[in-house]
Amino acid sequence: AQSVAQPEDQVNVAEGNPLTVKCTYSVSGNPYLFWYVQYPNRGLQFLLKYITGDNLVKGSYGFEAEFNKSQTSFHLKKPSALVSDSALYFCAVTRGSGTYKYIFGTGTRLKVLA
Amino acid sequence: GAGVSQSPSNKVTEKGKDVELRCDPISGHTALYWYRQSLGQGLEFLIYFQGNSAPDKSGLPSDRFSAERTGGSVSTLTIQRTQQEDSAVYLCASSFSPNYEQYFGPGTRLTVT
Repeated sequence: AQSVAQPEDQVNVAEGNPLTVKCTYSVSGNPYLFWYVQYPNRGLQFLLKYITGDNLVKGSYGFEAEFNKSQTSFHLKKPSALVSDSALYFCAVTRGSGTYKYIFGTGTRLKVLA
Repeated sequence: GAGVSQSPSNKVTEKGKDVELRCDPISGHTALYWYRQSLGQGLEFLIYFQGNSAPDKSGLPSDRFSAERTGGSVSTLTIQRTQQEDSAVYLCASSFSPNYEQYFGPGTRLTVT
């Protein structure tokens, strides 16, 4: 069965510091991995995805994520956090073939402190 | 172009009443998903439509929940005999094709009193 884990309910980081939001997954076959962000009182927005190719993928707002097959991880990173990055972040996984059901993580609340 | 739209944005209903939630996906998107989100928490998958294929209903929590998608476009999620535990934000998303990124609507906040 597919699953995705976001081990941290909340991450606090000072503005200007690098940030990491963790995600690990379990899926049979090739994973398709996604990050979404939900700003307060707004809908979810797509940030970036890994399908195949380069393990480091870049997305919106300066975010990037690294696919690590051996560690089954897809951590979200940003070199320098902004207060405006404070939001709820969701990792999601689906398989490259067969079932197309997305499995979302429980979310990590990122708080960037000024 | 227009994004995913949902209506109503807010719905307050009495326990035991039926409600219908509507989703208009992005034009040309063949895949449509319904999720439920409680109190800013994680997303609970409800149902998935892909083209003319039979929908994946495996996430529907009870037989009080049903959904349809007419003409491969607009979808309606119906909750019969609503219960207080049905109170949540119901999110709709569409994607160009399965396994592509999903685009979410603003959600319908359902409150059952």
